Amino acid sequence: TQLLEQSPQFLSIQEGENLTVYCNSSSVFSSLQWYRQEPGEGPVLLVTVVTGGEVKKLKRLTFQFGDARKDSSLHITAAQPGDTGLYLCAGDEYSSASKIIFGSGTRLSIRP
Amino acid sequence: GAGVSQTPSNKVTEKGKYVELRCDPISGHTALYWYRQSLGQGPEFLIYFQGTGAADDSGLPNDRFFAVRPEGSVSTLKIQRTERGDSAVYLCASSLSPGSSYNEQFFGPGTRLTVL
Repeated sequence: TQLLEQSPQFLSIQEGENLTVYCNSSSVFSSLQWYRQEPGEGPVLLVTVVTGGEVKKLKRLTFQFGDARKDSSLHITAAQPGDTGLYLCAGDEYSSASKIIFGSGTRLSIRP
Repeated sequence: GAGVSQTPSNKVTEKGKYVELRCDPISGHTALYWYRQSLGQGPEFLIYFQGTGAADDSGLPNDRFFAVRPEGSVSTLKIQRTERGDSAVYLCASSLSPGSSYNEQFFGPGTRLTVL
């Protein structure tokens, strides 16, 4: 079974600061996704990266897939209180077309 | 409906009881997934349906857990002889087309199960 480790587990920073969240595995994934989850709700997909080395931007969020497709990062520029939430990375298992494995998440808190 | 819906939103039961959790996927989505999320953890895969059949049930923890999707739409997750360790949020997701690298899944709000 492939495992995804996220770091840090918790992060509390001041509004306006930058931050990076990491998602690492010893296994190769066909694609990797980032989700954001708010309390009492299910995860919502932010982005999917497919190609090794791929970089995608979503406003102030920048996502990168490692060259070897084993790791990914999420960078947030000028964090805002609205960015607060649980950020989850998830990867497609090669052995299963539809089964995705989630990391344990990074709980982000942005202080005004 | 516009999104995936799950009922009930909260379920409290006693150890040893039987529970059913329902999921209504987005209309037209052929793939349906169940996950379990414990406090402070990411969702853990339980089972995946393609149409009416369970294409992958490798995540079901034991034979007390069972899920059905008789008409290829609504699904029910059934837990027999519940244990305190079954307490978690049970999430359902659906997608239009599995087997794709993009595999976008749309999640419901979950059912919070508490076993006393």
